[in-house]
Amino acid sequence: EIVLTQSPGTLSLSPGERVTLSCRASQSVSSSYLAWYQQKPGQAPRLLIYDASSRATGIPDRFSGSGSGTDFTLTISRLEPEDFAVYYCQQFGSSPRVTFGQGTKVEVK
Amino acid sequence: QVQLVESGGGLVKPGGSLRLSCAASGFTFSDYYMSWIRQAPGKGLEWVSYISSSGSIIFYTDSVKGRFTISRDNAKNSLFLQMNSLRAEDTAVYYCAKDYTVLDYWGQGTLVTVSS
Repeated sequence: EIVLTQSPGTLSLSPGERVTLSCRASQSVSSSYLAWYQQKPGQAPRLLIYDASSRATGIPDRFSGSGSGTDFTLTISRLEPEDFAVYYCQQFGSSPRVTFGQGTKVEVK
Repeated sequence: QVQLVESGGGLVKPGGSLRLSCAASGFTFSDYYMSWIRQAPGKGLEWVSYISSSGSIIFYTDSVKGRFTISRDNAKNSLFLQMNSLRAEDTAVYYCAKDYTVLDYWGQGTLVTVSS
C-alpha cells in the first residue's frame, strides 16, 4: 500500500509569501499519476496539478508542481488571499488504487 | 461546462441502506471512468470506488467491499453508489468525480450520516 505523507500539517503565512508544500510517498509513484488539489471550507476539492507538474485548466501560473519517485512538491510563488485553503496530493497506482495525503492547511498568519 | 450533481444523502440508522446518484452533464459521460470519494467531517479525502466507462471494470477500497456497489447508466448520464450495511464510520460527504487517475471535476457532494 502506498502511503502519501504531506508536510507540514499547517502553514501560517502572509499574503505575498512563497509556499512550498511537500508530499512524500512510501514507495515510488509514477509522475504521470501524481496530482494536487485545493479545497476551501464548504467546497469540493479542485484539481490544481496533474502529472506532477502540469497545471489544470484555468489554474494561475503562480501554482507549480515538481518532483519524481517518492518526493513531490507544490509551490505557490506568491500567496494570494484566495489561496488560503487545504491542499491534498493524490496518487493512482497499486492497491489501494487511489490514495490521498492527509492534507496541508495554509492559514493566514 | 462539466457539471456533476450528487443526490440521495441523508440520515440513516446503522445497518441501513442508501443509494447515491450523480447526474453528469457537459461532457460525453459514456467515454469516461467515474469515481466516488468521501470525506468524513473534519477529515481528509478517502477514495471509495471507481468504474470504467462501460461498467466492466470496478474497484473498491477495502473498507466498503461487499457492502457498497458502484454502477452507472450511460443512457441517463448517471452514476450510482448503493450503500448497504452502513456503519457510523461511513458518515461523510460523498463526492462523485470525473475520471479515476486524476479527478478533474468534482460534484458539490452529498452528506450521509449514519446514526441511531
